[in-house]
Amino acid sequence: DAGVTQSPTHLIKTRGQQVTLRCSPKSGHDTVSWYQQALGQGPQFIFQYYEEEERQRGNFPDRFSGHQFPNYSSELNVNALLLGDSALYLCASRGVGSGNTIYFGEGSWLTVV
Amino acid sequence: GIQVEQSPPDLILQEGANSTLRCNFSDSVNNLQWFHQNPWGQLINLFYIPSGTKQNGRLSATTVATERYSLLYISSSQTTDSGVYFCAVEPIQGAQKLVFGQGTRLTINP
Repeated sequence: DAGVTQSPTHLIKTRGQQVTLRCSPKSGHDTVSWYQQALGQGPQFIFQYYEEEERQRGNFPDRFSGHQFPNYSSELNVNALLLGDSALYLCASRGVGSGNTIYFGEGSWLTVV
Repeated sequence: GIQVEQSPPDLILQEGANSTLRCNFSDSVNNLQWFHQNPWGQLINLFYIPSGTKQNGRLSATTVATERYSLLYISSSQTTDSGVYFCAVEPIQGAQKLVFGQGTRLTINP
């Protein structure tokens, strides 16, 4: 049973560019959330997708957007990258069969230079 | 919004020692999970424990929901236990998202 998978693992972007991060949820999970973790901090909730719609959003600007596909996989897009967007981006999934337990992927390390 | 406080922020122990990590939260929750973040960044599920006590090998956890705290116990520590431990809660208001504490960085020396 594959867990939550994310790609790419590491990437370096230039300030002002755009980035897309991808996530495949754990098998059987239909709800995907994204979190940003800055160095030395706990993860911060960005948004959640269920049934291909954004259901909840944290305190992040509109430069952060997402999408969920019919197969439940998801993308996180960040436009007009700032140096402060450098962080570990974590995808999490939950769904029927795992109760309320939320599972995380290995994350995508984004460096903005 | 809900506040999650973890203590201590840093803990340095010798191999074989026992440790207790604490998580306090400011409001009622639907969900509480403990995670271990490895050096590569992955958050490993340790416990889903909104209330009660659970044990898994050398690790155990207790949540007293009425008093809004949870404890993670690590016995007979090993160097592989090193890393950052996070407590995360899912508030009843605005559910479906986890709110994390700042973590406890545990270092186990050989």
